[in-house]
Amino acid sequence: ILNVEQSPQSLHVQEGDSTNFTCSFPSSNFYALHWYRWETAKSPEALFVMTLNGDEKKKGRISATLNTKEGYSYLYIKGSQPEDSATYLCAFMGNNQGGKLIFGQGTELSVKP
Amino acid sequence: DVKVTQSSRYLVKRTGEKVFLECVQDMDHENMFWYRQDPGLGLRLIYFSYDVKMKEKGDIPEGYSVSREKKERFSLILESASTNQTSMYLCASSIPTGFSGNTIYFGEGSWLTVV
Repeated sequence: ILNVEQSPQSLHVQEGDSTNFTCSFPSSNFYALHWYRWETAKSPEALFVMTLNGDEKKKGRISATLNTKEGYSYLYIKGSQPEDSATYLCAFMGNNQGGKLIFGQGTELSVKP
Repeated sequence: DVKVTQSSRYLVKRTGEKVFLECVQDMDHENMFWYRQDPGLGLRLIYFSYDVKMKEKGDIPEGYSVSREKKERFSLILESASTNQTSMYLCASSIPTGFSGNTIYFGEGSWLTVV
């Protein structure tokens, strides 16, 4: 079973703090790396799909970087707000896996006002 | 708006019962998935299907089966429910690998308790 690891498992920050999390994945047979945001009682929703080494994606205050050669991706949130509180999931897709995503355990972010 | 609908949000079943979890997507997606979410273990893939009547085992298929008779519907079946299958089940769908983006769209989850 391929291993995708996220750190930290949980994070508690104050409103206005900037924060970042890490996703580690296999560096071989890479096809894509996905980031999802999962709020309580809602469906996970896609933030980014990243496919190229060196990719940087941005959506509002959230951005992500990708290093496929060393097998990691960072997700950054600038100036965290309480509405950013959610679990952030990364998922690895290999080029020999027929479209399957292998998820990390997630980073649970709590932003206090 | 894209939609993945899981018909049952909360179920309580007895040990040994046969349980059906239904999922319908309205996006004409080829790929459909069933995941299970447990605390500390993340989302684990049970089964997936890349076409009607096609299925492949995921990482934890034991105790489960699936059915995909129509493109829009993917059912997860617990032939004889056991207490260790108490969990939250997430259905998802996507376009095939190789297409740009290939985002997965999730349902809202089905919470199953087996007593």
